[in-house]
Amino acid sequence: GAGVSQSPSNKVTEKGKDVELRCDPISGHTALYWYRQSLGQGLEFLIYFQGNSAPDKSGLPSDRFSAERTGGSVSTLTIQRTQQEDSAVYLCASSGKGLAEFTDTQYFGPGTRLTVL
Amino acid sequence: GNSVTQMEGPVTLSEEAFLTINCTYTATGYPSLFWYVQYPGEGLQLLLKATKADDKGSNKGFEATYRKETTSFHLEKGSVQVSDSAVYFCALGTGRRALTFGSGTRLQVQP
Repeated sequence: GAGVSQSPSNKVTEKGKDVELRCDPISGHTALYWYRQSLGQGLEFLIYFQGNSAPDKSGLPSDRFSAERTGGSVSTLTIQRTQQEDSAVYLCASSGKGLAEFTDTQYFGPGTRLTVL
Repeated sequence: GNSVTQMEGPVTLSEEAFLTINCTYTATGYPSLFWYVQYPGEGLQLLLKATKADDKGSNKGFEATYRKETTSFHLEKGSVQVSDSAVYFCALGTGRRALTFGSGTRLQVQP
């Protein structure tokens, strides 16, 4: 079946511009996560959605970052007024409901490589 | 809070050598433990997982045992291949929260 998809695969933008990154989770998965992978920083958690609500936004690095999820499916991560330090690979993952006592496996998309010039 | 510590790389081995990548963790509650692999130019793929103490996860010849007493989840493979060259990430999860990842260990296998 189809996995997690992300678009675009690559995005080059100029400092100060806004960008939107899209994630299509695996069909039926209720949980959706955004992470950022950058050199020297490893994998950082950004935000988590359960359905359309975001119970955990603790990883968003500044108020320039926002995300939404509609229809319990597609999610968009928006970065306003991009800065060079925003350059990274942005990864999306989804997981199913599962049992609350165990952590569901998260399935990752291929990522969007963002370069801010 | 939760944290994962894994050995720094790169780890360079010859084909058919034995592999161990150490991973230790700190967590509240009873986490699930994961190893993910990232092949060159590709995304993160789940390699194996274990959800409770003494469970052994295994896949593609790789194994890891959830050791609660030593808070460890070391990755092992008896005979590595060139195709195993990748970056390996240890991770833990509690409930439905985000995963906490280690810094990753790059494995290079030479023919």
